[in-house]
Order: sequence, then C-alpha cells, then structure tokens
Amino acid sequence: DAGVIQSPRHEVTEMGQEVTLRCKPISGHDYLFWYRQTMMRGLELLIYFNNNVPIDDSGMPEDRFSAKMPNASFSTLKIQPSEPRDSAVYFCASRPGTLYNSPLHFGNGTRLTVT
Amino acid sequence: QKEVEQNSGPLSVPEGAIASLNCTYSDRGSQSFFWYRQYSGKSPELIMFIYSNGDKEDGRFTAQLNKASQYVSLLIRDSQPSDSATYLCAVNGAGSYQLTFGKGTKLSVIP
Repeated sequence: DAGVIQSPRHEVTEMGQEVTLRCKPISGHDYLFWYRQTMMRGLELLIYFNNNVPIDDSGMPEDRFSAKMPNASFSTLKIQPSEPRDSAVYFCASRPGTLYNSPLHFGNGTRLTVT
Repeated sequence: QKEVEQNSGPLSVPEGAIASLNCTYSDRGSQSFFWYRQYSGKSPELIMFIYSNGDKEDGRFTAQLNKASQYVSLLIRDSQPSDSATYLCAVNGAGSYQLTFGKGTKLSVIP
C-alpha cells in the first residue's frame, strides 16, 4: 500500500497566481479529506468527500478555494487567486467508510508559500 | 461549533518519566477519540484510538477516556527523546466520519 500521495511537496508562488494541489487516496478508502495546518489555527478541515461527492465544504475559507474529486483515485484543491495568507501546509487524508472509528491516513502534505 | 482543546505546551519531561497529555471536547455526542503524533515537518501519524470509557493500553502508551467529563488523555510511560513531538487529539462526532483536531501539545523529552 503506497499510502496517500500528495503533490507537489512544496509550492512557491506569487500572489494572484493559481495553485493546484493534488491527492491520490488509498485504494478502497471511501472518504477523502482536505486539511490546512498553520501554527495559529492548527489543523482545519476544509472539505471532505464520500464516494467522490462533496459532503461538507463549510471549512473552505473563501470562493477562491475549490475542490474536486473526479474519480475515486484523484482529488484536487485549487486556489485562485492565491494570497499570502494562504501560506500553510495542506494535507490530504483518507479513511475507509466501514467504521466510524477507522483512522485517518495522511499524505505527506504540500507546503504552500505565497509571496 | 465543535471544539477540541489541548494545552499547547511545551510540556517538558525528563527521559524515563511519564508524560501526561490532556484533551477536552465540547460535543457530548462524540464517539471516537484519536491521538496522533506529528514530528516537525512531517504528517500526523496515528498512535491510538479509544471509544469506550476507561483505559486502553498499547505498549508504552495508555489512552484514557471519560465521556461524562468530556475528557481524554494520553500517558506515555518511560518517555524517550524520540517521543519529542506534537501530539494531536482528534474527535469523531456522533454518526460522523469527520475528525476535529485540537491544536496539539508539544512534548519535549529531555535526555
């Protein structure tokens, strides 16, 4: 099992540019989550999907953020236009849908820096 | 608003001592509770989960849950310098697959 795979590992971009983060969940996991982590706010849930359908996007901070899951093995988080305050580590995580106590498996994260 | 509170630390303990990490949660209907460890620059990794009142032991780690007090803790026995990390408490609401995380407690084990 390769685990949750995220790309890129690091992204440095200028304010106003579009940023796309990518995630491949663990095969067979029905749930996919996008989290953002900063020192000030900790790990915040942005959005999560069940069987490729967005369930709760109430954590998405603004309309500049959008997420898609076109199939069971791929998801994207897009920020357009990016701003310096978007600088953070973005984690993708997945979990099976069999039990409520099944653990989250995290990817290695994407460290985003917006200058 | 579901909240999970942790003391941010840092919590410093000498090598070989017991480290005690605490967490409280606001959603009384919460059912499952997780402890994750996160080394600097790395992703969170699961240490333990618990969903019944009482204690659950796994090696040097013991998770304790008291639903009446809405309190969950993690004890690390015989602390090692390699245990130095940030420990995240996470809570699963009733009937939900969504995990809410605390901001974490930074633990430093002094050799």
